[in-house]
Amino acid sequence: GENVEQHPSTLSVQEGDSAVIKCTYSDSASNYFPWYKQELGKRPQLIIDIRSNVGEKKDQRIAVTLNKTAKHFSLHITETQPEDSAVYFCAAGGGSEKLVFGKGTKLTVNP
Amino acid sequence: GAVVSQHPSRVICKSGTSVKIECRSLDFQATTMFWYRQFPKQSLMLMATSNEGSKATYEQGVEKDKFLINHASLTLSTLTVTSAHPEDSSFYICSAPPQTSGSTDTQYFGPGTRLTVL
Repeated sequence: GENVEQHPSTLSVQEGDSAVIKCTYSDSASNYFPWYKQELGKRPQLIIDIRSNVGEKKDQRIAVTLNKTAKHFSLHITETQPEDSAVYFCAAGGGSEKLVFGKGTKLTVNP
Repeated sequence: GAVVSQHPSRVICKSGTSVKIECRSLDFQATTMFWYRQFPKQSLMLMATSNEGSKATYEQGVEKDKFLINHASLTLSTLTVTSAHPEDSSFYICSAPPQTSGSTDTQYFGPGTRLTVL
């Protein structure tokens, strides 16, 4: 089955800096890669996703890149703000397959 | 759009009792819903896939007789934790992909249910 590794587990940046979170997956059949943001005690919120026919996708300060050959994808947050502080989860799956989540990255943006 | 609700948001029960958690898709139909369990500071672990009109599919290691799932309609799935014990205390979250999305890719999560078993 699919296995998703996520790094780093914690990330601390200064406000205005960029943050990068990386994930690798094992199943070459996976074709859907979402990223979720979860604040303490709340539900995971989908912030961006990418499919295997696309190499990069951007939405304002958030971007995701996908390297199918290397089986890794990354989340990039630019101009970080304190409200970006949360736990971020990557996931891999697609089609009729379930999503498998990474272990999460706790991002702290220091003012 | 794509709103998923859960009820209750928080429940405290005595050991040995059963607890029912409801997951509803408010503005879309979902033939499939997913139930996850999340321990503090950990990731989301898929427990089972709930299928409208058929039996749920359980992940390896999840006791189907303990975690009963019923997908009664295209907008409602329920998870019943039977004979709950303190080790069942956790955050339970459901998710659902809008049927119109054409696949089970994009999942929207409910707000979660915090279960505490005394």
